[in-house]
Amino acid sequence: AQSVSQHNHHVILSEAASLELGCNYSYGGTVNLFWYVQYPGQHLQLLLKYFSGDPLVKGIKGFEAEFIKSKFSFNLRKPSVQWSDTAEYFCAVNALNNAGNMLTFGGGTRLMVKP
Amino acid sequence: DAGVTQSPTHLIKTRGQQVTLRCSPKSGHDTVSWYQQALGQGPQFIFQYYEEEERQRGNFPDRFSGHQFPNYSSELNVNALLLGDSALYLCASSPEGGSYEQYFGPGTRLTVT
Repeated sequence: AQSVSQHNHHVILSEAASLELGCNYSYGGTVNLFWYVQYPGQHLQLLLKYFSGDPLVKGIKGFEAEFIKSKFSFNLRKPSVQWSDTAEYFCAVNALNNAGNMLTFGGGTRLMVKP
Repeated sequence: DAGVTQSPTHLIKTRGQQVTLRCSPKSGHDTVSWYQQALGQGPQFIFQYYEEEERQRGNFPDRFSGHQFPNYSSELNVNALLLGDSALYLCASSPEGGSYEQYFGPGTRLTVT
């Protein structure tokens, strides 16, 4: 069974600082990878996804993530965070050997951006 | 275009009772998944329905059951509620044969006392 680890549980940054959130997964086969965001009081929204092709994917609101297959990692980055990026971020994996498309989530990283 | 909708928003139940949560998928989606998100944790997969059948199941006991209707809407039933069942229950929908991207609803907050 696959599992997902997010190394940072809480991150505090000042506006304009750069962001990198770590995500590692354990599964030896082909995967689809996702980052979801949960803003305060809102539902989970997709930030970006990787299915195949260019391992550097760009998402909404200036976020990007890089898939490094050899490291089983899919880290999320943003060059300059804003106060409005305060939210909880979840990395998720879908293993492609399954009949369905169940997602396995990491424990989440709570990001606070100070104005 | 309505997204994924869930009802009710909040629910308070007593230990031992039974509960039914409801979900309507995004228009054009025919696959519905349910997740449990305990406080401070990531969502955990309960099960997925497609063509009115349970297609995948996570590591949850048989007290958790579900149903999908011909219009693709779905219900999650939990019997013999335990305090540990208190959580946010999320419904997600996706199109079959599509991009495997799942769209989430706002969730139902269940509190068991």
